[in-house]
Amino acid sequence: DVKVTQSSRYLVKRTGEKVFLECVQDMDHENMFWYRQDPGLGLRLIYFSYDVKMKEKGDIPEGYSVSREKKERFSLILESASTNQTSMYLCASNLYSRGNYEQYFGPGTRLTVT
Amino acid sequence: AQKVTQAQTEISVVEKEDVTLDCVYETRDTTYYLFWYKQPPSGELVFLIRRNSFDEQNEISGRYSWNFQKSTSSFNFTITASQVVDSAVYFCALMSRDDKIIFGKGTRLHILP
Repeated sequence: DVKVTQSSRYLVKRTGEKVFLECVQDMDHENMFWYRQDPGLGLRLIYFSYDVKMKEKGDIPEGYSVSREKKERFSLILESASTNQTSMYLCASNLYSRGNYEQYFGPGTRLTVT
Repeated sequence: AQKVTQAQTEISVVEKEDVTLDCVYETRDTTYYLFWYKQPPSGELVFLIRRNSFDEQNEISGRYSWNFQKSTSSFNFTITASQVVDSAVYFCALMSRDDKIIFGKGTRLHILP
């Protein structure tokens, strides 16, 4: 079974802090994704990566950066957390081959910025 | 532009009733993939089904069935004889030219005992 894990289920940070959200997948997937989920807005793509050290902006990259130094790990960084970044953050991965494009999701990190 | 619309924000039905969740998509691509995901209260999205644009066969998996109609750009999901454990948020999603998946805003389904 594919397993995607995220470093924390719940996180509380203060405005202005630098925040790291970590995601690890154990199925050798090429692609990894970070989404945020907000009520009434569904899932919105922040960044994705299709290879080590490669990254692409999603729909809402402002205020975020990412890092992918190893294939299995994809980190989301909030350089200076703000209250409007309070949200549920979901990491996902998929295997880009043979039409098996479905994404597998981690359990999510609920981040509160105060 | 690509878009997924789930017009039903929230649905409540009594247990054992059938319920259909609607999904309408927009894309100019001829090759694309459609997905349904379930998000139970625990929060983790669970993949339910993938359909590619060349396969319009309907699919049934136990109490779940999916109706894909290219003519109306719809990919609807029906739960037969609903159960309380079906209570969740359900997302329809679309992927075409790149690896990005576009999600609808979700339908929150309440199954009342």
